Amino acid sequence: EAQVTQNPRYLITVTGKKLTVTCSQNMNHEYMSWYRQDPGLGLRQIYYSMNVEVTDKGDVPEGYKVSRKEKRNFPLILESPSPNQTSLYFCASSLGQNQPQHFGDGTRLSIL
Amino acid sequence: EDQVTQSPEALRLQEGESSSLNCSYTVSGLRGLFWYRQDPGKGPEFLFTLYSAGEEKEKERLKATLTKKESFLHITAPKPEDSATYLCAVQARGDDKIIFGKGTRLHILP
Repeated sequence: EAQVTQNPRYLITVTGKKLTVTCSQNMNHEYMSWYRQDPGLGLRQIYYSMNVEVTDKGDVPEGYKVSRKEKRNFPLILESPSPNQTSLYFCASSLGQNQPQHFGDGTRLSIL
Repeated sequence: EDQVTQSPEALRLQEGESSSLNCSYTVSGLRGLFWYRQDPGKGPEFLFTLYSAGEEKEKERLKATLTKKESFLHITAPKPEDSATYLCAVQARGDDKIIFGKGTRLHILP
């Protein structure tokens, strides 16, 4: 089954404790992306990747890192999380940059 | 600055009452416009892609249209299962970023 898998689905942690949210897709997609979704602000793109070893900033990249060492994986790293990064995060992938995206089921992060 | 605005923010309709959702965009040149449906607790699900003004796409009770400044998602004779948040996203020429609107929450009453 074609899917985008995110882990964990839920996480409560404390300020400053490094965390990684994993994202994996099984569709051999080239384009992958991370979004955060906040009430009243909608979906905002954090980082995206056109292909392996190619990543670029979206609209809200501050406080986040990503890497794309393999085509299927695109982890989101919060080196020193802060409470303003409490949000619902989605990973997405598509065949190419102008193609429909497939989304994961989301990761709800709470930073205390 | 590239921008996507959706209206209304929320819409309540009776079952069978047709209506339209609007997505207006300001980009330097449109590469593609996407419509998604999002159910509570889930990731967005793809509905349509439109690439050029005049283009139309249909699927069951939904029809998406595109002009040079906006897109409409027409819902004909909706059913309660059409209740969801509908999201519009655009990608501009010369840019690989994707910009989403804030969505329209649609509630269909039985």
